[in-house]
Amino acid sequence: AQKVTQAQTEISVVEKEDVTLDCVYETRDTTYYLFWYKQPPSGELVFLIRRNSFDEQNEISGRYSWNFQKSTSSFNFTITASQVVDSAVYFCALTGGSARQLTFGSGTQLTVLP
Amino acid sequence: GAGVSQSPRYKVAKRGQDVALRCDPISGHVSLFWYQQALGQGPEFLTYFQNEAQLDKSGLPSDRFFAERPEGSVSTLKIQRTQQEDSAVYLCASSSRGARRDTEAFFGQGTRLTVV
Repeated sequence: AQKVTQAQTEISVVEKEDVTLDCVYETRDTTYYLFWYKQPPSGELVFLIRRNSFDEQNEISGRYSWNFQKSTSSFNFTITASQVVDSAVYFCALTGGSARQLTFGSGTQLTVLP
Repeated sequence: GAGVSQSPRYKVAKRGQDVALRCDPISGHVSLFWYQQALGQGPEFLTYFQNEAQLDKSGLPSDRFFAERPEGSVSTLKIQRTQQEDSAVYLCASSSRGARRDTEAFFGQGTRLTVV
């Protein structure tokens, strides 16, 4: 069985602060894929990043960066110099084995205050 | 269209009523997924289509839930005899490759179903 845990239900920061969203996963599959999605108030899930289990390189995309550590089964997401427009619910998700669908965490509501 | 389109955006149903939710995936996308998202929770998988074939329906919560994609494009999720616990946002997603798990899925804005 696969499981994704996002222990932080809500985070509130002031604009320009850095913030890290935690994600811990469980899977028995040796090959798996991890994702982060953003869900703004409009409701659609917006894809941010995909990582496969064989690639532990950290990735940076503008103000976003991701830290993948297989040793701790974690795939954390950091936003540098947060902005009000970053306010949304962020979901970590996992797929692997024979499954085609994503298993999502419960999400972290990020509020960036001006 | 450019993205995944779902209709209606909002649906209020009386308990016991049947509802049908529509999903128009991105043109040419092979895979189509339905998810159910309860308030304050992450989406949970309902069913998966590859073209017109429903390959996985393990997430459908009861036999009141039925999904189809007869021509391999538009899909309909039908819920019969709605119950209050069916109240949720129903999300549709599509992706371009059927056999690969690493392809990102593109989501619609969802249909918010409220059963009263």
